[in-house]
Amino acid sequence: SQTIHQWPATLVQPVGSPLSLECTVEGTSNPNLYWYRQAAGRGLQLLFYSIGIGQISSEVPQNLSASRPQDRQFILSSKKLLLSDSGFYLCAWGLLDSDTDTQYFGPGTRLTVL
Amino acid sequence: AQTVTQSQPEMSVQEAETVTLSCTYDTSESDYYLFWYKQPPSRQMILVIRQEAYKQQNATENRFSVNFQKAAKSFSLKISDSQLGDAAMYFCASSNFGNEKLTFGTGTRLTIIP
Repeated sequence: SQTIHQWPATLVQPVGSPLSLECTVEGTSNPNLYWYRQAAGRGLQLLFYSIGIGQISSEVPQNLSASRPQDRQFILSSKKLLLSDSGFYLCAWGLLDSDTDTQYFGPGTRLTVL
Repeated sequence: AQTVTQSQPEMSVQEAETVTLSCTYDTSESDYYLFWYKQPPSRQMILVIRQEAYKQQNATENRFSVNFQKAAKSFSLKISDSQLGDAAMYFCASSNFGNEKLTFGTGTRLTIIP
């Protein structure tokens, strides 16, 4: 069965510091990978998605970037965090070739920027 | 572009009773998927139920069922025999066929009254 991991689970960072959040998927090959952000009391906003190694699409211009160095690894980064980057970050995976078009989510990372 | 609207920010139901959460959506596509996700206090997004737009039969998963009205672009979730563990935020979401990018509503917070 497939599992998705995210770390760290929680993170407190000062404004201006760098960021690296990691997401890995097990039990599947060539998944589509997604990064979402959820602000307090809000719905999910798609930030980035990837259909393969090195292929990243950005949905929202912002202070963040994403990379996919390996098939089942997806990394969210920032060179200098802003207060507005605080939120709950969720990684998800899906298989475009499946008949379900369903995304499955990881446990998330709670980021607080002070 | 797709839009998803959840007009009920909060709902409550007595334990063992039935509750219906509302969702409307807008899309110009003829083939698409609709989803309900549950987000408990742990904040991990959990798939509850999925509906393919080309299927007329409403999806069911144990105590969860949907009322899919394609012409009205309505997709409500019915929870029967409500249990304390059903307490969570519920998000309605849609995606176009062959494109997994999910569009989420703003969520409905469901409280179960013992």
